[in-house]
Amino acid sequence: SQQGEEDPQALSIQEGENATMNCSYKTSINNLQWYRQNSGRGLVHLILIRSNEREKHSGRLRVTLDTSKKSSSLLITASRAADTASYFCATVLNYGQNFVFGPGTRLSVLP
Amino acid sequence: GAVVSQHPSRVICKSGTSVKIECRSLDFQATTMFWYRQFPKQSLMLMATSNEGSKATYEQGVEKDKFLINHASLTLSTLTVTSAHPEDSSFYICSALAGIGTNEQFFGPGTRLTVL
Repeated sequence: SQQGEEDPQALSIQEGENATMNCSYKTSINNLQWYRQNSGRGLVHLILIRSNEREKHSGRLRVTLDTSKKSSSLLITASRAADTASYFCATVLNYGQNFVFGPGTRLSVLP
Repeated sequence: GAVVSQHPSRVICKSGTSVKIECRSLDFQATTMFWYRQFPKQSLMLMATSNEGSKATYEQGVEKDKFLINHASLTLSTLTVTSAHPEDSSFYICSALAGIGTNEQFFGPGTRLTVL
């Protein structure tokens, strides 16, 4: 069963603005990962954050993890039209297990 | 990162036919592969876990006789959708685990199945 929940489900912003997406989960995890998916395409791995980490950066991406609240956020700064996609968080409970995906946030960045 | 391929990328078939989808790890051996299904505008849902040399483990609600999984080698897992119906139309994505005791999983590009 899915354990991740994301909000908002859809987000529309202007180019240049920041976009923040949140993800919550229900059980303890080993790590949490964020993926991007363009319409009809495969998944693109964005960032992995381990359960003992609180924040990670990659370019314009910033991910936080709060294990006490069982939540994570993905911040995209200075958004671009090319950032338009669906963004999913995925959790892994233990090594070697499958991902459990959240429902995703559909981000639209308007030029 | 490691590469996982899927073939075909798109398939259109008539209702009642069977369709085989291949998932290959190109530059590493994968003892475990996972098969996910994604309906339009929805998230990925795990269908089954495929382990090399043993029977696949299916998630609740996934019919093992309809979705046949074979993981005959360390680089290939196949998913066969038998007697496909329009409701099986979906995006099927596999992922391959890069080694025991690792969290490194690599996703294939997905296969779009359309059943007419």
